[in-house]
Amino acid sequence: EADIYQTPRYLVIGTGKKITLECSQTMGHDKMYWYQQDPGMELHLIHYSYGVNSTEKGDLSSESTVSRIRTEHFPLTLESARPSHTSQYLCASSDQTGGIAKNIQYFGAGTRLSVL
Amino acid sequence: AQSVTQPDIHITVSEGASLELRCNYSYGATPYLFWYVQSPGQGLQLLLKYFSGDTLVQGIKGFEAEFKRSQSSFNLRKPSVHWSDAAEYFCAVGGNEKLTFGTGTRLTIIP
Repeated sequence: EADIYQTPRYLVIGTGKKITLECSQTMGHDKMYWYQQDPGMELHLIHYSYGVNSTEKGDLSSESTVSRIRTEHFPLTLESARPSHTSQYLCASSDQTGGIAKNIQYFGAGTRLSVL
Repeated sequence: AQSVTQPDIHITVSEGASLELRCNYSYGATPYLFWYVQSPGQGLQLLLKYFSGDTLVQGIKGFEAEFKRSQSSFNLRKPSVHWSDAAEYFCAVGGNEKLTFGTGTRLTIIP
């Protein structure tokens, strides 16, 4: 059973507000990921991290930013939310240690963001 | 570039009937293949994975999938579905780096 937590689960916020979506995992995984998912669409990778102080942009351009100061914590920030940011955001982690990396990703329950 | 195609957007089956969800992939090397399930309002849960070896892999909840290299497919099957199997199913392909997900297949179960 994976232990990866996202808060809040639901967030409704007005345009222009700064928001931070939290993601924490207790498995000691090195790699963490943020995906954006719209209804009926595939998951789009927006950010990932190989470990502490490592962050990379994903395949889908995003106005959000991330940080990785601690292994277990990978928050995503939007400096000024807009209606186009309305979506579901999923956080995941995977274990890259112990030999061949297999990239089995474990997911949190997601944050559903609505920007009015 | 790697890609995944799930040709069926929505499938409806009767409870107790068999199920097959299709997945075709494009990948330059030997792929790692995954099936995930997502219940409404939830994250993704890993059903099963293929890395190498036996091409028929067993997963949780009675699901299995068969890797067919010649057809670039990794179809998911279940011999008898239960009402609790209603969910969205995602196929994914990748190596040691990123995963690429398909657009998903929504499964509806009718009594």
